[in-house]
Amino acid sequence: EIVMTQSPATLSVSPGKRATLSCRASQNISSNLAWYQQKPGQAPRLLIYGASTRATGISARFSGSGSGTEFTVTISSLQSEDLAVYYCQQYNDWPMYTFGQGTKLEIK
Amino acid sequence: QVQLVESGGGVVQPGTSLRLSCTASGFPFTLYDMHWVRQAPGKGLEWVAVIWYDISNKYYADSVKGRFAISRDNSKNTMYLQMNSLRAEDTAVYYCARDRVSKGRGHDPFDIWGQGTMVTVSS
Repeated sequence: EIVMTQSPATLSVSPGKRATLSCRASQNISSNLAWYQQKPGQAPRLLIYGASTRATGISARFSGSGSGTEFTVTISSLQSEDLAVYYCQQYNDWPMYTFGQGTKLEIK
Repeated sequence: QVQLVESGGGVVQPGTSLRLSCTASGFPFTLYDMHWVRQAPGKGLEWVAVIWYDISNKYYADSVKGRFAISRDNSKNTMYLQMNSLRAEDTAVYYCARDRVSKGRGHDPFDIWGQGTMVTVSS
């Protein structure tokens, strides 16, 4: 099983600043990496797939990068609505899809 | 409007069974692989099972293999999860989710999610 490790566990960022979240895979997953946003009390929402492609309707403030085992998602100009837990997911080793444990993004 | 709606959750005792349903609307259900994903209270996401659009394949997480069964009725735009021999550790919100690409047969993330249905296993 491919283990996905996210860091940090919690990130506190001021409005208008940039937030960078990281995800590491225990083995090479090429670019088969997705990012999800889960706001309190809601279902997850797909943000990024293919490591760097924004999903339909996702703001250009969200950008993804990386390949192989190291990945990041960056949220530029943080807004209060970005308060959420962010999960990475590998879909290279299907059907054994695995998620990271999540990064909780707090707004200072 | 593209939508997934889960139902069937509830409180059950350990060792018993429960069947969840996921009804789709607003897209050609018969063309998409469908998944169940669960989230224990205060925890992260865990993929549970997938069924291909043509029902030719089904796969399960090791944690539920042999106890859960995924199925679908394409004539009713509905997917199911039959959960048997339930354990306390199966307590979670269960989400159904759609593959991003039609007829994907794997290698795709999940682009549409339902609102979830809560399953509590407790004596």
